[in-house]
Amino acid sequence: QKEVEQDPGPLSVPEGAIVSLNCTYSNSAFQYFMWYRQYSRKGPELLMYTYSSGNKEDGRFTAQVDKSSKYISLFIRDSQPSDSATYLCAMSEDDYKLSFGAGTTVTVRA
Amino acid sequence: DSGVTQTPKHLITATGQRVTLRCSPRSGDLSVYWYQQSLDQGLQFLIQYYNGEERAKGNILERFSAQQFPDLHSELNLSSLELGDSALYFCASSVVQGPGELFFGEGSRLTVL
Repeated sequence: QKEVEQDPGPLSVPEGAIVSLNCTYSNSAFQYFMWYRQYSRKGPELLMYTYSSGNKEDGRFTAQVDKSSKYISLFIRDSQPSDSATYLCAMSEDDYKLSFGAGTTVTVRA
Repeated sequence: DSGVTQTPKHLITATGQRVTLRCSPRSGDLSVYWYQQSLDQGLQFLIQYYNGEERAKGNILERFSAQQFPDLHSELNLSSLELGDSALYFCASSVVQGPGELFFGEGSRLTVL
């Protein structure tokens, strides 16, 4: 079993829809939770960063962390074609190593 | 543009060979991380350096080695290459030692034939 599980999709939605992405994990020591976005042929870029449990909102993006269920989510509201990318969850304990999910490929259709 | 520069962008070589990948971090970033991304394994952490010193090691093979130089650029050396080493190798940098925001380069795509 992988430390971080993420459904690779692909996920295809119409423009304006809400995109819902999630990851589960097995390591209860994870405290830092991140979502990265990766466009084709580019490196990942940080979208959201959360410490411990709770919700965080940034514009059209909302990240949720439920440590009791070992489950994190990312919601994208009013999705745009420019949101088409691969979304990777990542998490870390108190040290320096990030464990990434496999990534979910999202396509937003105009 | 993340500010992290990786060279070369593409590299094709044969099994048994040795290659060196180079990374220049963002100006002011002291931490450099190396990750390997393959279709079946996703992004895997290899190694981290902070201000010239090795700070954390992930699933890095013994055939691979890295270092960070006084000017903070880093090199990842891959030797005795195998077909399975074909992957995208990313360098990332950050200001801090711990899990803060990582800025990734565009990667070096290695193909081993």
